[in-house]
Amino acid sequence: KAGVTQTPRYLIKTRGQQVTLSCSPISGHRSVSWYQQTPGQGLQFLFEYFSETQRNKGNFPGRFSGRQFSNSRSEMNVSTLELGDSALYLCASSAAPGANYGYTFGSGTRLTVV
Amino acid sequence: GDSVTQMEGPVTLSEEAFLTINCTYTATGYPSLFWYVQYPGEGLQLLLKATKADDKGSNKGFEATYRKETTSFHLEKGSVQVSDSAVYFCALGTSGGSYIPTFGRGTSLIVHP
Repeated sequence: KAGVTQTPRYLIKTRGQQVTLSCSPISGHRSVSWYQQTPGQGLQFLFEYFSETQRNKGNFPGRFSGRQFSNSRSEMNVSTLELGDSALYLCASSAAPGANYGYTFGSGTRLTVV
Repeated sequence: GDSVTQMEGPVTLSEEAFLTINCTYTATGYPSLFWYVQYPGEGLQLLLKATKADDKGSNKGFEATYRKETTSFHLEKGSVQVSDSAVYFCALGTSGGSYIPTFGRGTSLIVHP
């Protein structure tokens, strides 16, 4: 079965712009989580969605937002981009929330802010 | 809160050597434990998991045992290959004390022919 699909794979944006990243989970998975990965901070949890509702949110500013659609696809948006937002953004899907089932990750979107 | 501590890398080994990557955790509940692997340019892949104390997870020659008494989940492999070169992450699922999974910082493994 198809894995987790993230688009686009690479993005270059200018400071102050906004960006939207997309994630299609594994068919049948209703839980989608987003992570930011950087060399300095490692993997940091952004938010988790289940059945179109945000269940948990990490410690990120309000410039980071997300949503989930009725088909479980999810998007995350970052407004007013800063240089420090450059990172690999990973989406992970799971059969149920809470991650005790384990995640399936996408290949990520590499965002570079210049 | 919950936390995961992994040994610092990189771990550098020759092919066919024995591998151990240490992972210890603190958790207020009884979370599932995981090892994920990330190959260059890719996302993380679930390698193995254990859901309760004394469970052993295994996959592709890798093993880890959920040790509640030592709060550890060390990853082992008897004979590594060059293709095992990657970054390995230890992770906690969610527990009674946290609804957000916790990942370690990752340990880079480099295997030389």
